[in-house]
Amino acid sequence: GENVEQHPSTLSVQEGDSAVIKCTYSDSASNYFPWYKQELGKRPQLIIDIRSNVGEKKDQRIAVTLNKTAKHFSLHITETQPEDSAVYFCAASMSNTGKLIFGQGTTLQVKP
Amino acid sequence: KAGVTQTPRYLIKTRGQQVTLSCSPISGHRSVSWYQQTPGQGLQFLFEYFSETQRNKGNFPGRFSGRQFSNSRSEMNVSTLELGDSALYLCASTRRGVVGEETQYFGPGTRLLVL
Repeated sequence: GENVEQHPSTLSVQEGDSAVIKCTYSDSASNYFPWYKQELGKRPQLIIDIRSNVGEKKDQRIAVTLNKTAKHFSLHITETQPEDSAVYFCAASMSNTGKLIFGQGTTLQVKP
Repeated sequence: KAGVTQTPRYLIKTRGQQVTLSCSPISGHRSVSWYQQTPGQGLQFLFEYFSETQRNKGNFPGRFSGRQFSNSRSEMNVSTLELGDSALYLCASTRRGVVGEETQYFGPGTRLLVL
């Protein structure tokens, strides 16, 4: 069935360091890969997404890469700041299904 | 534009009762998806409605149902509540782009506690 594996489950970095979170999906028909950030008690917030027609997308300190052959995508955060501390979720989806399959989440702690 | 709104924000029920949750999507968005979030199972897809029709459904029992109205507002209903139904229920409003690409934006959620 459809599945998204996310690693690591927890990640602790020093302020200013980079953080990388990796996800692998099972359904080769997936063509949309968003990343959400969820702070404690808040809603998941879309921070970046990538569609299958591109291999990389960047938005300031955040970047996402996609390898469709390996069914693998990753989130890269550079120059981390304490306010980056949160739970990050990757997800995969197919067009016109309205259905996101989520990874289990990564708790990122940025130590000042 | 106003964001996705959900009511109520918090709810306490007892086993066996039923509950109805409401979601109002962003103006102009015609699709609403529902998710259940628990510490053990993470974020799981319940169902999705587009133009008043259920387009997709997750692997939840028939006690979980939903509907969508002509103004795109959606409700989900859980009957015969069980302790395991305690969760944060999130709805997501879908924006459709010029070439049909879809992007989901989440509401604040309804936190349901079943005693």
